Amino acid sequence: AQKVTQAQTEISVVEKEDVTLDCVYETRDTTYYLFWYKQPPSGELVFLIRRNSFDEQNEISGRYSWNFQKSTSSFNFTITASQVVDSAVYFCALSQAQNTGNQFYFGTGTSLTVIP
Amino acid sequence: EPEVTQTPSHQVTQMGQEVILRCVPISNHLYFYWYRQILGQKVEFLVSFYNNEISEKSEIFDDQFSVERPDGSNFTLKIRSTKLEDSAMYFCASRIGGGAFFGQGTRLTVV
Repeated sequence: AQKVTQAQTEISVVEKEDVTLDCVYETRDTTYYLFWYKQPPSGELVFLIRRNSFDEQNEISGRYSWNFQKSTSSFNFTITASQVVDSAVYFCALSQAQNTGNQFYFGTGTSLTVIP
Repeated sequence: EPEVTQTPSHQVTQMGQEVILRCVPISNHLYFYWYRQILGQKVEFLVSFYNNEISEKSEIFDDQFSVERPDGSNFTLKIRSTKLEDSAMYFCASRIGGGAFFGQGTRLTVV
């Protein structure tokens, strides 16, 4: 069975602090994809990153960085020097790697509030 | 930048009425999805669509729901007889590989 756990329901940080959002997943597949999406207050889902299960290299994009560790089945997301605009709900998701219409398994989301 | 477009952005309907939620996926994408998110809850999978047919569906996607790609560009979700518990944000998504791109969502309110 596929499952994504985001244990942190809500996090509040003061602007310019770093914050890490945790994501732990379960899957029996050897090939899969992991994702992070941002949902701002306006409600849309914004794609942030995809990671293939064979690629454990960490990634940095501006103030965002992701730490993928297969050994612990984790795919954590860090925002450096947080800003008020980072306030949103962040979802981690898992997708199977078959080629026919894969579904995404979403975590329950972490609501991040950045206080000015 | 190409995007997935959903209409309407907000729909209010009476219980028992039929609704059709519309989506225009990104043009060269091959896989299409509908998800829903009840307020404050997680995003739940409804159905995936590939090669003009449903490839997977969840338990939520019962006989009240149907999907169609009527003209090769639009992708619709129909709810035949809406219930109060169908009130949610409905997201359409498409992908060709890599990350799925989600539309901005349609907020469905059943009264």
